[in-house]
Amino acid sequence: EVQLVESGGGLVQPGGSLRLSCAASGFTFSNYWMSWVRQAPGKGLEWLANIKEDGSDKNYMDSVKGRFTISRDNAKTSLYLQMNSLRAEDTAVYYCARVDRSSGDSGYRSLDLWGQGTLVTVSS
Amino acid sequence: DIVMTQSPDSLAVSLGERATINCKSSQSVLHTSNKKNYLSWYQQKPGQPPKLLISWASTRESGVPDRFSGSGSGTDFTLTISSLQAEDVAVYSCQQYYSYPQTFGQGTKVEIK
Repeated sequence: EVQLVESGGGLVQPGGSLRLSCAASGFTFSNYWMSWVRQAPGKGLEWLANIKEDGSDKNYMDSVKGRFTISRDNAKTSLYLQMNSLRAEDTAVYYCARVDRSSGDSGYRSLDLWGQGTLVTVSS
Repeated sequence: DIVMTQSPDSLAVSLGERATINCKSSQSVLHTSNKKNYLSWYQQKPGQPPKLLISWASTRESGVPDRFSGSGSGTDFTLTISSLQAEDVAVYSCQQYYSYPQTFGQGTKVEIK
């Protein structure tokens, strides 16, 4: 089955760190750009970052640049998001998503497969 | 950053009637080199992750019912549900992937009247 499964969410204090993981299965992970998207409670979707197939190119939203790091391990078919200096406003469900490659290999594509998400709560 | 603004924030439509959702981008998402609009639509049902419905402003994903259609170009886009079904109750969001950060609209909640 083609799927993405996130893990690693939880309660963390402001200023703390957390590492999210996303396990991919059912497709050739190393052939796809991958992304992280989050959704604060009751709010809209917010694109955070994406990473090229081989990890050589990464792009971030400004408000997480320098605090969050996207990475991947193709041997383990896994995507990661290292989150440091967490703030209350980072509280959200975090989704990993696959970048569609049906129209060619690029980071500028739709997100065609999503995980179920993992909840991160930043609170003292 | 490109700001994506959807209207309305919510709408209630009778079963079998048409639902229309608008999405406006603060700058054009039409790529002049390939004449493609870098705009997608997602459906998110309660407690579920988003599901890709439409890419390139008007290309339906495989398996998406043909009552869903996308249109528009440049800065103004529309998602139309031609005949609303009970299972279409959801939040619909547009997203531009023309430039980073790849921003989303705030979402439009569709309910049954």
